[in-house]
Amino acid sequence: NAGVTQTPKFRVLKTGQSMTLLCAQDMNHEYMYWYRQDPGMGLRLIHYSVGEGTTAKGEVPDGYNVSRLKKQNFLLGLESAAPSQTSVYFCASSYHRGGYEQYFGPGTRLTVT
Amino acid sequence: AQSVTQLDSQVPVFEEAPVELRCNYSSSVSVYLFWYVQYPNQGLQLLLKYLSGSTLVKGINGFEAEFNKSQTSFHLRKPSVHISDTAEYFCAVSDRGNGNKLVFGAGTILRVKS
Repeated sequence: NAGVTQTPKFRVLKTGQSMTLLCAQDMNHEYMYWYRQDPGMGLRLIHYSVGEGTTAKGEVPDGYNVSRLKKQNFLLGLESAAPSQTSVYFCASSYHRGGYEQYFGPGTRLTVT
Repeated sequence: AQSVTQLDSQVPVFEEAPVELRCNYSSSVSVYLFWYVQYPNQGLQLLLKYLSGSTLVKGINGFEAEFNKSQTSFHLRKPSVHISDTAEYFCAVSDRGNGNKLVFGAGTILRVKS
């Protein structure tokens, strides 16, 4: 049981380049989330999904797109990276009922130059 | 919209001393409350949560927190800290009507010194 995994762990992009971050969970969770973590700002929700084929915007969605084609995977895309998107990105997942505990992946550190 | 304030960005404390990390949230509507811990270069792990019932919640690693509805607070405490407790701690809140969306505080770095 690997829990929540994220690939890649690190990435450096030039301004304007695109990339996709992959999140996978093996806990059969319905809900999945993408957050960004910046110093002094905690975690902010980018997008989330309440089930396969559905996505919704969070607090800071601009510049990002997501897809949930399979229940176990949640992809975060940056179409044209900007330096303001330099951050640590965390994926999380949770059951749709119960204690709403979110289980987090190890993070992806992205630098945009 | 909910907001969470963690009143201290850093808390230095000596080993075996008690510690309190403070958290206040903005809304008085019914909420779920959480404390997560992040060790260096890792993801977040749940320490404890308040959903309903007793206002004193016990979590892992000897931590506990008390829900105070009138003061909209959820402070985290440990009676005796260890070097291994050095980490960043995040308070988070969600409205009961929208329980899957968490709002996080900015975090408090706990530094335990020997």
